[in-house]
Amino acid sequence: DAKTTQPPSMDCAEGRAANLPCNHSTISGNEYVYWYRQIHSQGPQYIIHGLKNNETNEMASLIITEDRKSSTLILPHATLRDTAVYYCIVRVEYGNKLVFGAGTILRVKS
Amino acid sequence: AAGVIQSPRHLIKEKRETATLKCYPIPRHDTVYWYQQGPGQDPQFLISFYEKMQSDKGSIPDRFSAQQFSDYHSELNMSSLELGDSALYFCASSPPGASDTEAFFGQGTRLTVV
Repeated sequence: DAKTTQPPSMDCAEGRAANLPCNHSTISGNEYVYWYRQIHSQGPQYIIHGLKNNETNEMASLIITEDRKSSTLILPHATLRDTAVYYCIVRVEYGNKLVFGAGTILRVKS
Repeated sequence: AAGVIQSPRHLIKEKRETATLKCYPIPRHDTVYWYQQGPGQDPQFLISFYEKMQSDKGSIPDRFSAQQFSDYHSELNMSSLELGDSALYFCASSPPGASDTEAFFGQGTRLTVV
């Protein structure tokens, strides 16, 4: 699986958009970009995933660059409950494990 | 909606004892993954099962073994426990079919070895 690089931490004001970047320059054509988050010692929570098109769901938006070497997770209106570790994971097709690297600690502040 | 159920939620064992952690996947999910997360660490993949067969193996110690049963629940057996085995153990499951399905995680079992 391709490696990912994320900033170790970010701060965001409550109510503002949180934009979390991820570099995955070695991603291959059949690898998806997944985002999970982990709120203090809870089980990781799925957020969103995509292959090459931008994706949006009720939690977030995922913007993937045209060359697929990087992506950005956008939480449109961050709340204090969004404070968590966010993991960007590149994963091949169904059945393969999720490999967690060093994620980004997002702190949402009032 | 039903989620992944792990039991027990908390477990305290002494060194050299054995422990068995259980995972009940979401109904109709056929793939189970086990992860270990030490204090201040990121989750580390241990092992996975697909349709009751081991499908992938990560950094799982030889003292650990796991299996998936006919009802798709899974058990992680840990023997000769060491202090360093103290960690959160997560189980996740994913459904069959589509090639890009997400995995859903349980709330974990916190194992403390004393």
